[in-house]
Amino acid sequence: QKEVEQDPGPLSVPEGAIVSLNCTYSNSAFQYFMWYRQYSRKGPELLMYTYSSGNKEDGRFTAQVDKSSKYISLFIRDSQPSDSATYLCAMSGVDSNYQLIWGAGTKLIIKP
Amino acid sequence: ETGVTQSPTHLIKTRGQQVTLRCSSQSGHNTVSWYQQALGQGPQFIFQYYREEENGRGNFPPRFSGLQFPNYSSELNVNALELDDSALYLCASSRGQDPGANVLTFGAGSRLTVL
Repeated sequence: QKEVEQDPGPLSVPEGAIVSLNCTYSNSAFQYFMWYRQYSRKGPELLMYTYSSGNKEDGRFTAQVDKSSKYISLFIRDSQPSDSATYLCAMSGVDSNYQLIWGAGTKLIIKP
Repeated sequence: ETGVTQSPTHLIKTRGQQVTLRCSSQSGHNTVSWYQQALGQGPQFIFQYYREEENGRGNFPPRFSGLQFPNYSSELNVNALELDDSALYLCASSRGQDPGANVLTFGAGSRLTVL
């Protein structure tokens, strides 16, 4: 079993829909949680960063962390075709040996 | 402020050859890490360099080696290439060692194909 599980998709939704992306993890020591967006032929870029549990909002994006369930989510409101990309969750903790542990990424397609 | 730049962007090698990939860190960043991303997978940590020393390594064999230079640029060297080494190699820089507490800025990657 992988430390971080993420549905690879693809997830296809119409423009304007609310998108929900999720990851589950097994290591209770994780305390830093991130969402990266990766366009084709590009490197990942940081979208959202959360420390420990709770919610964080930035424009159309909301990140949620539920450490009791070992479950994190990214919500995208009013989705746009430009949001079409692969979304990767990544996490780290005190025993992570200086590395981020990544999910496999979910490919998101926003249909105009 | 320049971002992270990697070279070359694409390259093709044959099995058994050696390859060197290069990375220039973002200005003000002193830590470099390298990740391997196979097609359809998330990145896998290869190693991290801080002040020219390797201070963390993932589950990769010794034929994967690296260097960090005084200007914080870095190289990834892979010897005795295998077909499974075909992947996108990502370099990331940050202001500190802890990738949780310090945001990683990634380059666009070097895509290696081993035939």
